[in-house]
Amino acid sequence: DAKTTQPNSMESNEEEPVHLPCNHSTISGTDYIHWYRQLPSQGPEYVIHGLTSNVNNRMASLAIAEDRKSSTLILHRATLRDAAVYYCILRVIYGGSQGNLIFGKGTKLSVKP
Amino acid sequence: DTEVTQTPKHLVMGMTNKKSLKCEQHMGHRAMYWYKQKAKKPPELMFVYSYEKLSINESVPSRFSPECPNSSLLNLHLHALQPEDSALYLCASSQLYKEKLFFGSGTQLSVL
Repeated sequence: DAKTTQPNSMESNEEEPVHLPCNHSTISGTDYIHWYRQLPSQGPEYVIHGLTSNVNNRMASLAIAEDRKSSTLILHRATLRDAAVYYCILRVIYGGSQGNLIFGKGTKLSVKP
Repeated sequence: DTEVTQTPKHLVMGMTNKKSLKCEQHMGHRAMYWYKQKAKKPPELMFVYSYEKLSINESVPSRFSPECPNSSLLNLHLHALQPEDSALYLCASSQLYKEKLFFGSGTQLSVL
């Protein structure tokens, strides 16, 4: 399965931007990059996904490196409610693992008031 | 309706009991998933159903038996579980393999 590597934890101040990095050097050309977050006592929540181009939505932005071997999730203004574990995941489209969403260890984001 | 509903929210069972977890979605999604999550660990994929057929079984012990009676419902039948099976069981659904997953809030299972 395609693997991702993320820092175990990061800290941010409230109302400041947060950049969460993810390395995925073994990504194949058809793998989508997905980000989910999980708040305490809840199921994971979709944040954003992309293939090659940078993506924006109401929650965040996703910056994808030109070689696609890394990506960065950007929260433009962190709030206390953004404190969660953030997972960067490769969504395999073809092959034996088709459709699987395999979670890595994730980054625990803490937000200080 | 963009919700995945899981019942019950909490379940306590003995090692000789038989119980079932239920998951329901009305988004027309044709792929449904079961994940298991231990405390402070990431979710682990257990089963994937595609068009009501089991497409992925991640070497899950036979004491866990999934069932997809129709395109909206997914069950996980539990029998003769062990205390180490205590975990949060998450259900998810998606439209297509490249699309995002919608997760339920999970069933917290305790096996005594």
